[in-house]
Amino acid sequence: EVQVVESGGGLVQPGGSLRLSCVASGFSFSTYWMHWVRQAPGKGLVWVSRISSDGTSVAYADSVKGRFTISRDNAKKTLFLQMNSLAAEDTALYYCARDQGYSYGSPDGMDVWGQGTTVTVSS
Amino acid sequence: SYELTQSSSVSVSPGQTASITCSGDELGDKYVYWYQQRPAQPPVLVIYQDTKRPSGIPERFSGSISGNTATLTISGTQALDEADYYCQAWDSSTGVFGGGTKLTVL
Repeated sequence: EVQVVESGGGLVQPGGSLRLSCVASGFSFSTYWMHWVRQAPGKGLVWVSRISSDGTSVAYADSVKGRFTISRDNAKKTLFLQMNSLAAEDTALYYCARDQGYSYGSPDGMDVWGQGTTVTVSS
Repeated sequence: SYELTQSSSVSVSPGQTASITCSGDELGDKYVYWYQQRPAQPPVLVIYQDTKRPSGIPERFSGSISGNTATLTISGTQALDEADYYCQAWDSSTGVFGGGTKLTVL
């Protein structure tokens, strides 16, 4: 079964750090771009970051640039999101999603999503 | 920063056609994607690259684009189609989602 499973969420104080993980299974992880998308409680989807299949190309939403770092370990089929300087507005459910990869060299639709991991930033 | 605009809600009777629109500057120059999100569930890709339907998505879901407005059309709407729908596009390799449209089937 093709799936991704996120972990690493939790309660963190403002200014703190957290590292999210996303383990992939059922597909050739190393050949797919990957994304992080978040959703604050009761709000809409917000794209956070993406990484190319080999990890050499990354991009971030302006709201997280300079604070979040996306990375991947293809040998372990794992995607990461290092989150630093967290603020209350980062509180959200964080989804890991696979890029379907039909647009060579460019991001495409997100066709496999996990259930998400919850990040709460509060004192 | 780039923005996509969706109406906040759409209502439709069972069996009728629902249309959900998404507008943005120069949207016709970008691919548009549509996601369905049922309560407490992750999103599901229902349309990609403006008009294409992923395998497993019912034929009643279709996408179109005209000028700077993209439309998701659900023909013969069913109760199980009640959900939030988000359009999404790429602007300089960064992702942008619309604010979402709540589809009510009543």
